[in-house]
Amino acid sequence: GQNIDQPTEMTATEGAIVQINCTYQTSGFNGLFWYQQHAGEAPTFLSYNVLDGLEEKGRFSSFLSRSKGYSYLLLKELQMKDSASYLCAVKGGATNKLIFGTGTLLAVQP
Amino acid sequence: NAGVMQNPRHLVRRRGQEARLRCSPMKGHSHVYWYRQLPEEGLKFMVYLQKENIIDESGMPKERFSAEFPKEGPSILRIQQVVRGDSAAYFCASSPRPGQGYNEQFFGPGTRLTVL
Repeated sequence: GQNIDQPTEMTATEGAIVQINCTYQTSGFNGLFWYQQHAGEAPTFLSYNVLDGLEEKGRFSSFLSRSKGYSYLLLKELQMKDSASYLCAVKGGATNKLIFGTGTLLAVQP
Repeated sequence: NAGVMQNPRHLVRRRGQEARLRCSPMKGHSHVYWYRQLPEEGLKFMVYLQKENIIDESGMPKERFSAEFPKEGPSILRIQQVVRGDSAAYFCASSPRPGQGYNEQFFGPGTRLTVL
């Protein structure tokens, strides 16, 4: 079966660091994506991991452990505009479609 | 460079009517994916198309839903005899090629369907 789990909601303070976890069980794995989605808007790409380890991109970093079926997205120096849903998605299957988790709604407070 | 375009952005239909959603992929992209996002839920894969071919429709409901991507023109997702449960945001994404590795799917702004 296909299963991707993320926390439903998180709250953090402006300027702080927050880690959003994602665990997955999928048939086939060709990489894991993180997307950001503001309310009423399209998902926008944040990061991609296919090998184990940490990928850093400015204030955002993403980590992958394939053996554990686990990833996290790390957001540093939080800003109010980071308040959004963060979607974990695994690319897999014969046609490489994206399988999404339900998303984590992050609220950044002053 | 225009991104993925979808229209209409908002669509209101009464139960029993047909809804037709259009998606124009990014220039140079020949692979289109449709996803549905129900309120308070994640995106769910519906169908994957290449020009004139349906490659994977495993996420598409068996009845009332159909999709096409003709040689010329946009991809169309058609929902016949809509019901209230079809109310959702429908996103289209395009990719230059869907193979292994980093092939990002670029998302359009979505069509928000409301069934009265």
